[in-house]
Amino acid sequence: AQSVAQPEDQVNVAEGNPLTVKCTYSVSGNPYLFWYVQYPNRGLQFLLKYITGDNLVKGSYGFEAEFNKSQTSFHLKKPSALVSDSALYFCAVRSFLSSGSARQLTFGSGTQLTVLP
Amino acid sequence: GAVVSQHPSWVICKSGTSVKIECRSLDFQATTMFWYRQFPKQSLMLMATSNEGSKATYEQGVEKDKFLINHASLTLSTLTVTSAHPEDSSFYICSAPPPRLADEQYFGPGTRLTVT
Repeated sequence: AQSVAQPEDQVNVAEGNPLTVKCTYSVSGNPYLFWYVQYPNRGLQFLLKYITGDNLVKGSYGFEAEFNKSQTSFHLKKPSALVSDSALYFCAVRSFLSSGSARQLTFGSGTQLTVLP
Repeated sequence: GAVVSQHPSWVICKSGTSVKIECRSLDFQATTMFWYRQFPKQSLMLMATSNEGSKATYEQGVEKDKFLINHASLTLSTLTVTSAHPEDSSFYICSAPPPRLADEQYFGPGTRLTVT
């Protein structure tokens, strides 16, 4: 079975400071890893993904994430946070081995990011 | 880019009535769609996998007779909440993987259901 852990329910950071939202995963085989962002009463918006290749993945809105196989982590980062980054962030995983109807994602519990002005 | 729509975006219904939520892939065909449920400030819980031309696959603990799923075409899946109760109030989100992007999922904007 695959699983995702987001150890922090809430992350607060001052505007202009770097931010990190943590994610660790467990999956059989090589992972497909994703970060999504959700604004209130909205669906999920894709931020970035890791499939293979460079461990540092760059995504939308200046976000990036680093895949660390030995630590089974995929932490989301941004060098300089904006107030508009305040939202709920979800890490998700599925196994490279999955296909067809098994392509569903397993989501972490979510981390509420608040950027303070 | 690929877009997934949901209708309605929000709905209020009375206990005991049924509500249908539509999920459409607007510019691609989806043989598989996924339905999630999300409680306030919580994660997405996969409810079922909708398969075009065959029965849906439900996750453990999800009542298939209560949450009816019909994948009527390659661009439409519907979720019907039958005999709704206040505890069914939630945010329902669908997603669909585009056919040539095995690693992607496109999410609908969600439907807020409130049962009074």
